[in-house]
Amino acid sequence: DVKVTQSSRYLVKRTGEKVFLECVQDMDHENMFWYRQDPGLGLRLIYFSYDVKMKEKGDIPEGYSVSREKKERFSLILESASTNQTSMYLCASRTGPPYEQYFGPGTRLTVT
Amino acid sequence: AQTVTQSQPEMSVQEAETVTLSCTYDTSESDYYLFWYKQPPSRQMILVIRQEAYKQQNATENRFSVNFQKAAKSFSLKISDSQLGDAAMYFCAYRTSNAGGTSYGKLTFGQGTILTVHP
Repeated sequence: DVKVTQSSRYLVKRTGEKVFLECVQDMDHENMFWYRQDPGLGLRLIYFSYDVKMKEKGDIPEGYSVSREKKERFSLILESASTNQTSMYLCASRTGPPYEQYFGPGTRLTVT
Repeated sequence: AQTVTQSQPEMSVQEAETVTLSCTYDTSESDYYLFWYKQPPSRQMILVIRQEAYKQQNATENRFSVNFQKAAKSFSLKISDSQLGDAAMYFCAYRTSNAGGTSYGKLTFGQGTILTVHP
């Protein structure tokens, strides 16, 4: 079974703090994703990585950056957390064809 | 750009009954994939069912089936013999057929529908 894990289920940070959310997958997938989930908006793509050290912006990259130094690990970074970044963050990794995405359990981040 | 719309924020069903969740989408592409994902409370999102646009036959997975109407751009999910474990948030999602390499074929999600199952 594919396993995608995220470093924290719940996180509380203060405005202005630097925040790291980590995601690890154990299936040697090349593609990894970070989404943000908000009520009434569904999931929106923040960043995508198609290989180690390779990344593409998604639909809402502002205020975020990412790092992928190793194939199994994809980190989302909030350089200076703001209250409007309070949300559920989901990581996913994807197989080759048929390109199925497998999701992690999510991190509920609260910025106060 | 593609959009996906789920017009039912919440639905409810009695155990053992059938419920249908609606999804419409907008695209100018002719070849693509559609998905239904299930997100149980405090648990990971999982894929329920997938439909390839070039296939006319509606996909079926056990108690879950879809009604895919390509011309109408409609993709509804039918859950038969509903069980308490079906209670979850359900997301409809779209993906272009070209998903390799840097043309990464992102998933575009709808807003989600919360399904409640009453015993």
